[in-house]
Amino acid sequence: QSVLTQPPSVSATPGQRVTISCSGGKSNIENNYVYWYQQSPGTAPKLLIGRFDQRPSEVPDRFSASKSGTSASLAISGLRSEDEADYYCSTWDDSLSGWVFGGGTKLTVL
Amino acid sequence: QVQLVESGGGVVQPGRSLRLSCAASGFTFSTYAMHWVRQAPGKGLEWVAVISLDGSNKYFADSVKGRFTISRVNSKNTLYLQLNSLRPEDSAVYFCAKADSYYSYHGMDVWGRGTTVTVS
Repeated sequence: QSVLTQPPSVSATPGQRVTISCSGGKSNIENNYVYWYQQSPGTAPKLLIGRFDQRPSEVPDRFSASKSGTSASLAISGLRSEDEADYYCSTWDDSLSGWVFGGGTKLTVL
Repeated sequence: QVQLVESGGGVVQPGRSLRLSCAASGFTFSTYAMHWVRQAPGKGLEWVAVISLDGSNKYFADSVKGRFTISRVNSKNTLYLQLNSLRPEDSAVYFCAKADSYYSYHGMDVWGRGTTVTVS
């Protein structure tokens, strides 16, 4: 059971907008930066969104993140087939004094 | 460019030990915190440990506390993870990851390709 809760899967068609939620608590999401990672099968995770909801330069602006209270979300607009991957949220947890990951969300582009 | 290369994985019997290494290049290693994250076959990501830029602060996941240790040698641009008293549930791909600052509570921005540990 992950400290951060993500839906196991989401799906959408090319061109659509999809959001992935990440639910936590005051000790993690509310008080700390939330990071988002993308992982394609057989590869290492890749940073999508970091501190201050900023994207690395190589990540397209179709990817965006937001946070409200104890929940965060990742939005992907103009969905493309290459976006099909697993997505993870992650943050520091003050109570655990450690990092936590969500269980991951598998995005299927229909 | 920033590069992290893990090594040291392999097949080991339960109860034995293993040491993983992560060779860093392309950035000033001594000015960043560093993480280890693992992923069991078919499972999600699990954070393992983080070490501050000078090694003075270390934090561990409860699942490995007391069995794993993290260390670094800044003069060699190398991060280590010592795995002791290994259990079958420790079987995973172990990723080394660079923090995006010197703070242990800031996240990972660059990841290595991982090294596989199988406990059997």
